[in-house]
Amino acid sequence: ETGVTQTPRHLVMGMTNKKSLKCEQHLGHNAMYWYKQSAKKPLELMFVYSLEERVENNSVPSRFSPECPNSSHLFLHLHTLQPEDSALYLCASSQDGVQPQHFGDGTRLSIL
Amino acid sequence: DQQVKQNSPSLSVQEGRISILNCDYTNSMFDYFLWYKKYPAEGPTFLISISSIKDKNEDGRFTVFLNKSAKHLSLHIVPSQPGDSAVYFCAASPPLISNFGNEKLTFGTGTRLTIIP
Repeated sequence: ETGVTQTPRHLVMGMTNKKSLKCEQHLGHNAMYWYKQSAKKPLELMFVYSLEERVENNSVPSRFSPECPNSSHLFLHLHTLQPEDSALYLCASSQDGVQPQHFGDGTRLSIL
Repeated sequence: DQQVKQNSPSLSVQEGRISILNCDYTNSMFDYFLWYKKYPAEGPTFLISISSIKDKNEDGRFTVFLNKSAKHLSLHIVPSQPGDSAVYFCAASPPLISNFGNEKLTFGTGTRLTIIP
């Protein structure tokens, strides 16, 4: 596989559920990102990881918890989400923070 | 307040003609600009970029123009082809000065381009 792979592609969950989104990059990059795209809004940066350390948390609520066990994998753990959290969640990677970032195809999340 | 604005949510262009997508920004610290293209059910794909030291960058059918004084950039696609139908996002980043934290991308809301055969 090449590029950035995200699983699952679609996720429907209740507000009390706990689930995780997974991202894997096969580009040898050392930085990974989570973005949120809500309808009719720009992509919003949520988290930045560099060399497995979080370097940016863009005022994201604590019900979103990222994890970066190594430079190829990134997770977004979800718990007690709200309906307004329904959105497309995109993962991206880059080398040394240099543009461009390479994106996965996203996880479409729906909160019931 | 949106720092990167794409004021046209949609644009329709005849096949073979020129497509011009526009983007305005407000933050004078932005140093590097990118265009991404997104098909339905896929992630954004990098298309072309331009550094603030240039005013034009060309790659095949795609040309990006930057007017720093007007804080405006545009993407020209010529000739337009049916496969160019997609949503186009403009994005901007500040200078990569040192360590991470300076490479944040700020995106516009996108313009949906439809090429009419």
